[in-house]
Amino acid sequence: SQKIEQNSEALNIQEGKTATLTCNYTNYSPAYLQWYRQDPGRGPVFLLLIRENEKEKRKERLKVTFDTTLKQSLFHITASQPADSATYLCAAQGGANNLFFGTGTRLTVIP
Amino acid sequence: DAGITQSPRHKVTETGTPVTLRCHQTENHRYMYWYRQDPGHGLRLIHYSYGVKDTDKGEVSDGYSVSRSKTEDFLLTLESATSSQTSVYFCAISDGLGNTEAFFGQGTRLTVV
Repeated sequence: SQKIEQNSEALNIQEGKTATLTCNYTNYSPAYLQWYRQDPGRGPVFLLLIRENEKEKRKERLKVTFDTTLKQSLFHITASQPADSATYLCAAQGGANNLFFGTGTRLTVIP
Repeated sequence: DAGITQSPRHKVTETGTPVTLRCHQTENHRYMYWYRQDPGHGLRLIHYSYGVKDTDKGEVSDGYSVSRSKTEDFLLTLESATSSQTSVYFCAISDGLGNTEAFFGQGTRLTVV
């Protein structure tokens, strides 16, 4: 069955460093991937969408890559700040009208 | 939060009782979704709607039903709540077929005792 996996449950990094989060998918080839941020007690908030024909997408300090050969997306936050601490969710097309979500990676940026 | 409101925000109910959660949007988006979020499972789709009176099942639809009689409202009903349905429920809306961003509500924390 289709599967989205975010390998790291938690990631701690030092302020100012680049955080890299991984999302792998198996048993299908999604046409796009999305990344969301979720803070405790709140709903997910959309960050970036990348399509299969795009290798890389950037938005301010955020960068997402999509490698269809490795079946993987990497999400980078450069010059990380404590305010970036949150859970980050990867989502992929799961049929015509919905998204499959990974379980998320909880990022903590240490001052 | 993009004009999407869930009610109630918190609810405690007894096993076997019916429960209805409401999602209301002011964005006029065509697509509406109900997800549940549990530790270790992430967000899982329960049901979705692609128009008034047009709904379909997601991956965890057993024990749930939905209705959409107006563009702005999407109701999720647990006909007879069970402890396994204790979860945080999120409503989401989108303007496209899933290849556009989704906007999420604040969530409803449901506890079935």
